[in-house]
Amino acid sequence: QVQLKESGPGLVQPSETLSLTCTVSGFSLTSYSVSWVRQPSGKGPEWMGRMWYDGDTAYNSALKSRLSISRDTSKNQVFLKMNSLQTDDTGTYYCTRDGKTGILFGWGQGVMVTVSS
Amino acid sequence: DIQMTQSPASLSASLGETVTIECLASEDIYSNLAWYQQKPGKSPQLLIYYANSLNDGVPSRFSGSGSGTQYSLKINSLQSEDVSIYFCQQNYDSPNTFGAGTKLELK
Repeated sequence: QVQLKESGPGLVQPSETLSLTCTVSGFSLTSYSVSWVRQPSGKGPEWMGRMWYDGDTAYNSALKSRLSISRDTSKNQVFLKMNSLQTDDTGTYYCTRDGKTGILFGWGQGVMVTVSS
Repeated sequence: DIQMTQSPASLSASLGETVTIECLASEDIYSNLAWYQQKPGKSPQLLIYYANSLNDGVPSRFSGSGSGTQYSLKINSLQSEDVSIYFCQQNYDSPNTFGAGTKLELK
């Protein structure tokens, strides 16, 4: 059974760095790519970036200067780090299991992140 | 970035009705279009990909069509469990972009 679960702090101070972990089960990170997608409350989702199955990464150009995605295949985990957080980074952050062309076939439950002092 | 414009923003329909949601891309996306359903308080779930391919387990009352820049999602015989927000997403070009969503409610 394919599962993805996001974890990380619910509250981050402005200007600080967000660190999230996506722990997967039921599939291999060397066979499937994983994306990070975020969704401000009441708005449409925004694709942030992807860890490809071969270890390569791709980023949304709007976030590229602040964003880093990495993985630990031995622990079945994909990591997101984003620095210089501002209030408009508040939202729910999801990790997804991707098809070859960027179709988001499976989603985690999401983790709510609030940027506030 | 490719802009995805969904219409309508909200929709109210009765049980058993047929509803259609539209998605317009700012350029040709060659049928690289997916639809997601997000039930209240839940994460989005894939309904349709490549414009008209039904994901596993999705009821056959859902269907997708379109080409070029214009796409649509049709729900036949609306059920109470279809109350959701529906998003389109283009996966033709990076960054993959989403529409703002269509909120479907029961009349």
